[in-house]
Amino acid sequence: NAGVTQTPKFRVLKTGQSMTLLCAQDMNHEYMYWYRQDPGMGLRLIHYSVGEGTTAKGEVPDGYNVSRLKKQNFLLGLESAAPSQTSVYFCASSYSPQLPLHFGNGTRLTVT
Amino acid sequence: KQEVTQIPAALSVPEGENLVLNCSFTDSAIYNLQWFRQDPGKGLTSLLLIQSSQREQTSGRLNASLDKSSGRSTLYIAASQPGDSATYLCAGRGGGGTSYGKLTFGQGTILTVHP
Repeated sequence: NAGVTQTPKFRVLKTGQSMTLLCAQDMNHEYMYWYRQDPGMGLRLIHYSVGEGTTAKGEVPDGYNVSRLKKQNFLLGLESAAPSQTSVYFCASSYSPQLPLHFGNGTRLTVT
Repeated sequence: KQEVTQIPAALSVPEGENLVLNCSFTDSAIYNLQWFRQDPGKGLTSLLLIQSSQREQTSGRLNASLDKSSGRSTLYIAASQPGDSATYLCAGRGGGGTSYGKLTFGQGTILTVHP
């Protein structure tokens, strides 16, 4: 049972480069989320989706874009990476708001 | 805006002790509250989920309570073990004018249980 899978696990980017983080879940969940976790700041919501084809902004959406073309996948894009985007990124999903949230193991991104 | 606070930020206890972790939220109109555990370098693992209509949930040595009127939740860990050492986070879904699709996390409590 794979659950929530994030790729890649680690990445180093230079300022200005772009990349896409992939989140895949095999639990048929409707809701998917992208968070970033920084020391002293806790977990902050970047973008989320309440179903295939939908996306919405979270607390810190600037500099990121997302897409949910397939129900099982939620992609997070950085068009022009900045050092302030150095963080650990977590994807999470749930079947409904009444049910628990499941997390992936994270992607550690460093922007130099 | 919903805000979630966890106290204490860190806690160190000897093995076998019963302990309580605290979580407070500013808006009682939450949909539910979830407690998570995070081990170093790992993602979050869900421990307990309490719906707004419930008062508590139990799983093994863990018991979580929810008091919406006071804006508080507690996680009780009985007979703590070194394997319980981790960061514990609480998260409220909804409240503060946000949709129930969104969770607001506390900063976490770092728990160390020493033998």
